[in-house]
Amino acid sequence: GQQLNQSPQSMFIQEGEDVSMNCTSSSIFNTWLWYKQDPGEGPVLLIALYKAGELTSNGRLTAQFGITRKDSFLNISASIPSDVGIYFCAGDGEGAQKLVFGQGTRLTINP
Amino acid sequence: ETGVTQSPTHLIKTRGQQVTLRCSSQSGHNTVSWYQQALGQGPQFIFQYYREEENGRGNFPPRFSGLQFPNYSSELNVNALELDDSALYLCASSWGTGELFFGEGSRLTVL
Repeated sequence: GQQLNQSPQSMFIQEGEDVSMNCTSSSIFNTWLWYKQDPGEGPVLLIALYKAGELTSNGRLTAQFGITRKDSFLNISASIPSDVGIYFCAGDGEGAQKLVFGQGTRLTINP
Repeated sequence: ETGVTQSPTHLIKTRGQQVTLRCSSQSGHNTVSWYQQALGQGPQFIFQYYREEENGRGNFPPRFSGLQFPNYSSELNVNALELDDSALYLCASSWGTGELFFGEGSRLTVL
């Protein structure tokens, strides 16, 4: 089946640093999504990408849909303590939100 | 707060037992999806319900079944529980193919 490879698996950074994480797949996806999950919570949508090559920002977050439709990255600028959590990429290849998720990137921030 | 509520939040069962998990979708949402999230992994799509009919299923055996009611709330039933069924079960609601809003999940432990 479809799989997403997300890297890195974990990151330990200082507050104020920029963060970059990415997601690759052997399959083409029509939509790429980035979610954040805090402990004890469900995933929350950060950014949705619908078109190959699309670059979208949401505050300090920027994400891009790769032109091959097989990859995406998420950047966080000037990290703050509330950015701590697990970030998931997800692809929707079949439509109707049958999402395939990556394994997550755990972000830890040292104050 | 996404407006998606799940119950129970935690439960413990033994192998071979059956479990029912419940989800109330956000007001106005007619589609409910269920995902299984094992510890340290990304969510995996189980199935989706739209207007009380199953609308797509992931790679899960038939002992995973579901229902959607006229008020769009939903149940996930798992029969003959196995140890590997221990996971966080996430419900997500949406209006058609719009953004998914996840609940906080039901954490199932199978002993």
